[in-house]
Amino acid sequence: AQSVTQLDSHVSVSEGTPVLLRCNYSSSYSPSLFWYVQHPNKGLQLLLKYTSAATLVKGINGFEAEFKKSETSFHLTKPSAHMSDAAEYFCVVSPYNFNKFYFGSGTKLNVKP
Amino acid sequence: GAVVSQHPSWVICKSGTSVKIECRSLDFQATTMFWYRQFPKQSLMLMATSNEGSKATYEQGVEKDKFLINHASLTLSTLTVTSAHPEDSSFYICSALRGNEVNQPQHFGDGTRLSIL
Repeated sequence: AQSVTQLDSHVSVSEGTPVLLRCNYSSSYSPSLFWYVQHPNKGLQLLLKYTSAATLVKGINGFEAEFKKSETSFHLTKPSAHMSDAAEYFCVVSPYNFNKFYFGSGTKLNVKP
Repeated sequence: GAVVSQHPSWVICKSGTSVKIECRSLDFQATTMFWYRQFPKQSLMLMATSNEGSKATYEQGVEKDKFLINHASLTLSTLTVTSAHPEDSSFYICSALRGNEVNQPQHFGDGTRLSIL
């Protein structure tokens, strides 16, 4: 069975401080994993993806994530938050070789000045 | 890039009318497209998977006669909300997969805000 758990529904950080958004997954097959960002009244924009290559994945806007199979985690990080990072973030898992996607419940990131 | 255009972005209409939403892949061919519905402060809920040239596959609980999906070409899928009522008001988002690739991300449109009066 496949599932995704985003451990925090809300995260609040100050501008310039690190960001950590947590994601744990459950997958019967070697998964592909993705992080998306959604700004209000917008679609989802791909931040980064893991598809069985390097376990540390770098994405756009300074974000990166590390695939840890032993911990079944794919946490999203950024060294220094910017006001424009305030948005909703979704972790998505897809079983290997299957075009089926499972969404986490989302984490709303608030960035304080 | 992989650009998906969704139109209209916002529609307001009277109860009982039908509304068509278009999802186009602008710079790639999309064998598979997905339609999602998103309620306020919630994650995306998959409504159906649209495959070019065949009938869409609907998720459990989604009325196929209410939400008509047509994927007649490799760059266009449409969702028609028939006889819309206020409870159909929501944010609808489409996404597309490039070609026949697997293990690759979905590319999303910007969504359509549907308000039924």
